Amino acid sequence: DVKVTQSSRYLVKRTGEKVFLECVQDMDHENMFWYRQDPGLGLRLIYFSYDVKMKEKGDIPEGYSVSREKKERFSLILESASTNQTSMYLCASSMSGPVHGYTFGSGTRLTVV
Amino acid sequence: QKEVEQNSGPLSVPEGAIASLNCTYSDRGSQSFFWYRQYSGKSPELIMSIYSNGDKEDGRFTAQLNKASQYVSLLIRDSQPSDSATYLCAVNPPRGNAGKSTFGDGTTLTVKP
Repeated sequence: DVKVTQSSRYLVKRTGEKVFLECVQDMDHENMFWYRQDPGLGLRLIYFSYDVKMKEKGDIPEGYSVSREKKERFSLILESASTNQTSMYLCASSMSGPVHGYTFGSGTRLTVV
Repeated sequence: QKEVEQNSGPLSVPEGAIASLNCTYSDRGSQSFFWYRQYSGKSPELIMSIYSNGDKEDGRFTAQLNKASQYVSLLIRDSQPSDSATYLCAVNPPRGNAGKSTFGDGTTLTVKP
């Protein structure tokens, strides 16, 4: 069964900490995405990547960075966690091209205190 | 105007009825359209893709696309309580980052026994 695996289901971090969220896919997908999902705001794209070492900003990149050193792994980094970054973080991957939908990971519920 | 708009709901139907979920999009050149189902506390799951005008059926699900009206819908026949979830419409752009979907905010469906 093909999978997108996110390293943690729940995380609690303190304000100001550097936080790493990891995502690994085993489908050899070219595209990988990080979204956050908040009640009433829907899915908002943070960053995405079309290839190894390539990254592009999404709609809300402020306060975040990403790393894609290998095709299967896409990491989201919160440089200095703040309480307004408390959210559900969803990683997704897809094949290259316009006709493919996403496979999502199970999500990481991050709470910043 | 949002790029992808859905009726926020909630939508409630009795068991066995047809549930109709609607989505409109603003970019006339969009070329790929997707429906995701998201159960409470879970991540979205791709259930339907459609690329051409007309209907596409998969079991109890039918996706309908009308590019002239910039409208895509999802019909669920013989609705079951297990269909109770939030349904997300997603649209891929016509050019550029062809794999990057824009999501609607979702319609919450409740199927009552």
